[in-house]
Amino acid sequence: GAGVSQSPSNKVTEKGKDVELRCDPISGHTALYWYRQSLGQGLEFLIYFQGNSAPDKSGLPSDRFSAERTGGSVSTLTIQRTQQEDSAVYLCASSLEGQGITGELFFGEGSRLTVL
Amino acid sequence: AQSVTQLGSHVSVSEGALVLLRCNYSSSVPPYLFWYVQYPNQGLQLLLKYTSAATLVKGINGFEAEFKKSETSFHLTKPSAHMSDAAEYFCALDFGGTSYGKLTFGQGTILTVHP
Repeated sequence: GAGVSQSPSNKVTEKGKDVELRCDPISGHTALYWYRQSLGQGLEFLIYFQGNSAPDKSGLPSDRFSAERTGGSVSTLTIQRTQQEDSAVYLCASSLEGQGITGELFFGEGSRLTVL
Repeated sequence: AQSVTQLGSHVSVSEGALVLLRCNYSSSVPPYLFWYVQYPNQGLQLLLKYTSAATLVKGINGFEAEFKKSETSFHLTKPSAHMSDAAEYFCALDFGGTSYGKLTFGQGTILTVHP
């Protein structure tokens, strides 16, 4: 497709389980971002990739959260030992420009995570 | 530290009425400012952006916003609301010059348009 694709769209898991969320950015977009949208915290930045490198991972809430990007394309956000406070919608975005003047971020529809 | 405040978590207007969504910011450096819209069960879509060129910025769907440095504001307006404008709107800020898409978002304003 032409847009940012995220999977799964919905994930229900039990507390303590690990989850992986996938993002497939727009082809050719070098910058990739993960954001989290939750009722209590609003929209929060998690991590930024330029190519396969993550120069800014300052928004990851704890060491249970990690992300990688391979081939300058697909990214996976992994949450280990999930907690109920991890319940949120995880949004991925990509952009042509990752440095300098901020270009438009193109967002996916998100992965809704519910931790029981 | 930079921050964005959207005044009013819910705004309700009649179809055809003026839409005004308020956004104030705090930033220690000249900011880049954005308005994004989110329709139900969809991702965010850019409406418009200010990047230190013209202070009055026109966006998609008839929306516009004016950057007012003296008031640290970037309010979003549309002269005549349409039913299809019903959505949640987010104001966002990025550092100018060293920006790379790390946006600070406001809490969002849900716009309801009634007939």
